[in-house]
Amino acid sequence: EVQLVESGGGLVQPGGSLRLSCAASGFTFSSYEMNWVRQAPGKGLEWVSYISSSGSTIYYADSVKGRFTISRDNAKNSLYLQMNSLRAEDTAVYYCARDSVGIGGNYFDYWGQGTLVTVSS
Amino acid sequence: QSVLTQPPSVSGAPGQRVTISCTGSSSNIGAGYDVHWYQQLPGTAPKLLIYGNSNRPSGVPDRFSGSKSGTSASLAITGLQAEDEADYYCQSYDSSLRVFGGGTKLTVL
Repeated sequence: EVQLVESGGGLVQPGGSLRLSCAASGFTFSSYEMNWVRQAPGKGLEWVSYISSSGSTIYYADSVKGRFTISRDNAKNSLYLQMNSLRAEDTAVYYCARDSVGIGGNYFDYWGQGTLVTVSS
Repeated sequence: QSVLTQPPSVSGAPGQRVTISCTGSSSNIGAGYDVHWYQQLPGTAPKLLIYGNSNRPSGVPDRFSGSKSGTSASLAITGLQAEDEADYYCQSYDSSLRVFGGGTKLTVL
């Protein structure tokens, strides 16, 4: 059974940093591309970042570029999101999501349960 | 403002058919990218509902169907049930980056 379990969320002051983790199990993690997707309270889904299976290709949404860093450790079956210079508008539930290859574009076939990040003084 | 436009809400009575639209442009859906749909039940993580415009993952009832034409896509739900009450999101690509619609809240009357 595919499982994605996020951790590391919490309350942080504006300008602060936080590192999220996603522990993967039930599949060959090193073979899959991964993503972070977030959802602000009462709002819709927003894709945040993508990393290829080897970690060699990375993309970010404009809203987090230069502040967030995605990484992975295939030996530990883990995905990470280092978040720096946090702003109030980064407050959201952060989900890790596995990529599945589609001919016309990939999609997210499995999601974690999410971890809440609150940026407030 | 989302790149993909969905109606904020739709509703229907049990047993009825409802559709949710997802309107894009020539830089996303119209560029040939597939549309995927996710269901988010209250208080839970999103779940893949339709992939590749019209394909259902294993376990998704055939009451759910998807289609795509031009710069738009649609999700149809037939035989509406109380447990279908949820938020629904479409997703595609724009300039090679993943984008979501703003989401549609489905209310079962």
